[in-house]
Amino acid sequence: DGGITQSPKYLFRKEGQNVTLSCEQNLNHDAMYWYRQDPGQGLRLIYYSQIVNDFQKGDIAEGYSVSREKKESFPLTVTSAQKNPTAFYLCASSIWRARGRRETQYFGPGTRLLVL
Amino acid sequence: GEDVEQSLFLSVREGDSSVINCTYTDSSSTYLYWYKQEPGAGLQLLTYIFSNMDMKQDQRLTVLLNKKDKHLSLRIADTQTGDSAIYFCAETTNYGGATNKLIFGTGTLLAVQP
Repeated sequence: DGGITQSPKYLFRKEGQNVTLSCEQNLNHDAMYWYRQDPGQGLRLIYYSQIVNDFQKGDIAEGYSVSREKKESFPLTVTSAQKNPTAFYLCASSIWRARGRRETQYFGPGTRLLVL
Repeated sequence: GEDVEQSLFLSVREGDSSVINCTYTDSSSTYLYWYKQEPGAGLQLLTYIFSNMDMKQDQRLTVLLNKKDKHLSLRIADTQTGDSAIYFCAETTNYGGATNKLIFGTGTLLAVQP
């Protein structure tokens, strides 16, 4: 079955610790995205990548880092510099389209990060 | 700047129709989307509409677009308890000149009473 997997489902972080959230897709999609969701708010874009070995900052990239070494994988590291990391993190992927074309994003099940 | 607004909560009785509303700001948006999020899960694409359309129907779902007022709505006919979820509208806009970006609303929690 094709899809997007995220692991773990729940993740606990201690103060000052870096943690890495996994996102894998087998849809052969070019583009991948990381969003953060806080209660009562919409999704905010952290980072996105249109192609392997390239990624761009989104609206709230501070305190986060990513890599895109493989087309299938786009891990997100929440660093100790992120002062308020407790949130629900969603990964998405899409076939990259030029500006103005329809580009449907498909989402993984999410990882809930909690700070101890 | 870009902004997408939705009411936070809607309660309906099972069997009634639900109408979830959304307003957006980017008049150049080419596609607008509706996503559904069940508790503790990711977002599931429900439907989308191209900006040159006024209406799109897909089984129990009807999307209406008023481009002049920048207003989008999602009507769910014969609402069932399984429709209880958070519904997000999203508009596409330009990002970095070449990339489509989705701007999401805050989401509307739909509660269906049996």
